Amino acid sequence: EAGVVQSPRYKIIEKKQPVAFWCNPISGHNTLYWYLQNLGQGPELLIRYENEEAVDDSQLPKDRFSAERLKGVDSTLKIQPAELGDSAVYLCASESRSDYNEQFFGPGTRLTVL
Amino acid sequence: GEDVEQSLFLSVREGDSSVINCTYTDSSSTYLYWYKQEPGAGLQLLTYIFSNMDMKQDQRLTVLLNKKDKHLSLRIADTQTGDSAIYFCAETDSSYKLIFGSGTRLLVRP
Repeated sequence: EAGVVQSPRYKIIEKKQPVAFWCNPISGHNTLYWYLQNLGQGPELLIRYENEEAVDDSQLPKDRFSAERLKGVDSTLKIQPAELGDSAVYLCASESRSDYNEQFFGPGTRLTVL
Repeated sequence: GEDVEQSLFLSVREGDSSVINCTYTDSSSTYLYWYKQEPGAGLQLLTYIFSNMDMKQDQRLTVLLNKKDKHLSLRIADTQTGDSAIYFCAETDSSYKLIFGSGTRLLVRP
């Protein structure tokens, strides 16, 4: 079974530029998450989708961040414009319908803003 | 709000046991989790424990839960060099959102 796929793995941009990250969850997983992981920290939730609906986006900085999950499968997270403080790893995860809510994580996209 | 605390670093010799500790704040968590992150990779669920249990054993892993003190630990028996990684403790809040600690970096010395 293929895992969660993310691309690109690494991205270096200058501040004020736009950037987009893509995630393909595990087939059949209806729940998709985007997390932000700063260096030396645990992941922090940005947004959660149930199918194509964003059910928790309370921690997404909506002035510059946006996300979409068209057709309830792949998802894209965008930052426009990027700031220096956005340098981090952006993780995507998807969840199976299990009793213990296991989340499966992709390898992440490491963003560096110069 | 919810908070999960972990020690930052642990170093053990290969073959010894490792014990990673965690404290959490949300007493309503249904499950508590241990995730492992290797360099350049995402997080992988190692094990979890249901909140009405006080111990769970899974091969080399033993999870102990003290609900009164809101303390969770992960013991790895016969620690191997391949166990070197960052270990994250996580609880769920009232909306089932995962709240992670900052991670404990485990270094296994040969």
